[in-house]
Amino acid sequence: RKEVEQDPGPFNVPEGATVAFNCTYSNSASQSFFWYRQDCRKEPKLLMSVYSSGNEDGRFTAQLNRASQYISLLIRDSKLSDSATYLCVVIPAGGTSYGKLTFGQGTILTVHP
Amino acid sequence: DTEVTQTPKHLVMGMTNKKSLKCEQHMGHRAMYWYKQKAKKPPELMFVYSYEKLSINESVPSRFSPECPNSSLLNLHLHALQPEDSALYLCASSQRTSGGSYEQYFGPGTRLTVT
Repeated sequence: RKEVEQDPGPFNVPEGATVAFNCTYSNSASQSFFWYRQDCRKEPKLLMSVYSSGNEDGRFTAQLNRASQYISLLIRDSKLSDSATYLCVVIPAGGTSYGKLTFGQGTILTVHP
Repeated sequence: DTEVTQTPKHLVMGMTNKKSLKCEQHMGHRAMYWYKQKAKKPPELMFVYSYEKLSINESVPSRFSPECPNSSLLNLHLHALQPEDSALYLCASSQRTSGGSYEQYFGPGTRLTVT
């Protein structure tokens, strides 16, 4: 079983749609969770950290369910500019001074007019 | 400011060449990383430096040699590469946040082609 699993998509949605991505992780001791977005031929950019209480940033809402080892990202009112690959990222627990990221395979989103 | 810079943006090198990739950050982060990314795949971790010391080497071939001259700079020295080493090489840096997380910021990458 992969450490972090995502539905690779692709998701093709019209502008204005609401779309949700899911991600599961296998290490129950994982401590930090993120969503990154990556545009074609660009670097990954941090979209949101994901907190146990859930968090929202404008049209984006992230949720974490530790019991089910499940992370989600909801995008409301999709824009053309939201088209990208969305990477679910997990950091396992550990007393280190750095964070070793574990990436999902990424979910491709295309928003069309 | 969450900027990580990398040079060069593009690099074409022959299998007998020696070249270096450079990375710089001025955010005061004490952890820096090298990743390799192939098309349609997520980044793969290569090396981690923490407080200027090599903390992780993910069994990377010796033709890749990292160097951390100071807390702001990270280099990746390349020698006798193979065509399959062609990829996007990403540098990143991170610092532990007050919430105990490690938000990692990536540079724009160097697109390497080995001929």
